[in-house]
Amino acid sequence: AQSVSQHNHHVILSEAASLELGCNYSYGGTVNLFWYVQYPGQHLQLLLKYFSGDPLVKGIKGFEAEFIKSKFSFNLRKPSVQWSDTAEYFCAVMNTGFQKLVFGTGTRLLVSP
Amino acid sequence: KAGVTQTPRYLIKTRGQQVTLSCSPISGHRSVSWYQQTPGQGLQFLFEYFSETQRNKGNFPGRFSGRQFSNSRSEMNVSTLELGDSALYLCASSMGTGSGDEQFFGPGTRLTVL
Repeated sequence: AQSVSQHNHHVILSEAASLELGCNYSYGGTVNLFWYVQYPGQHLQLLLKYFSGDPLVKGIKGFEAEFIKSKFSFNLRKPSVQWSDTAEYFCAVMNTGFQKLVFGTGTRLLVSP
Repeated sequence: KAGVTQTPRYLIKTRGQQVTLSCSPISGHRSVSWYQQTPGQGLQFLFEYFSETQRNKGNFPGRFSGRQFSNSRSEMNVSTLELGDSALYLCASSMGTGSGDEQFFGPGTRLTVL
């Protein structure tokens, strides 16, 4: 069965610090990869997605992620975080052709001003 | 374009009762998926409906069921509620073309079982 691992459960950063959140998945076939964000009191929103092509994908609000197939990884990065990035971040994988998202356990990010 | 809507937003039930949750997808979306979110288990896939047919199913007991109507609206039913069913139930809609297209999530229904 597919699984997704997010290595950091809680991350605390100061504004302007760089961010990298780890995500690894276990599936050898063709997958689609996603990062979703859940701001306090709001619903899940898509940050970025990888389907094919350039393994470096850019999303909203300055986020980017790199798909490294050999490492089964899809790490999320942002060069300089803001207080408004405080949220919970979820990595998810989907088998190509199926509408089933498998989520990681999430990472709570707190950015202090 | 209106987003995914879910009703009701909050529900309180007692053990043994049953509950029905509703989801209206984004206009034009034919696929509706349901997820359960709990602090302990995180986000788990329940099932997916496309054109009124269940297309994918997660590892939940038969007490959890769903259906989809011809206008793509979907309902989820949980019978014989247990304390452990307390959770945020999320609905997501997508075009459902099968190529892994983006799912758009609703705000969820928070179910509390007493």
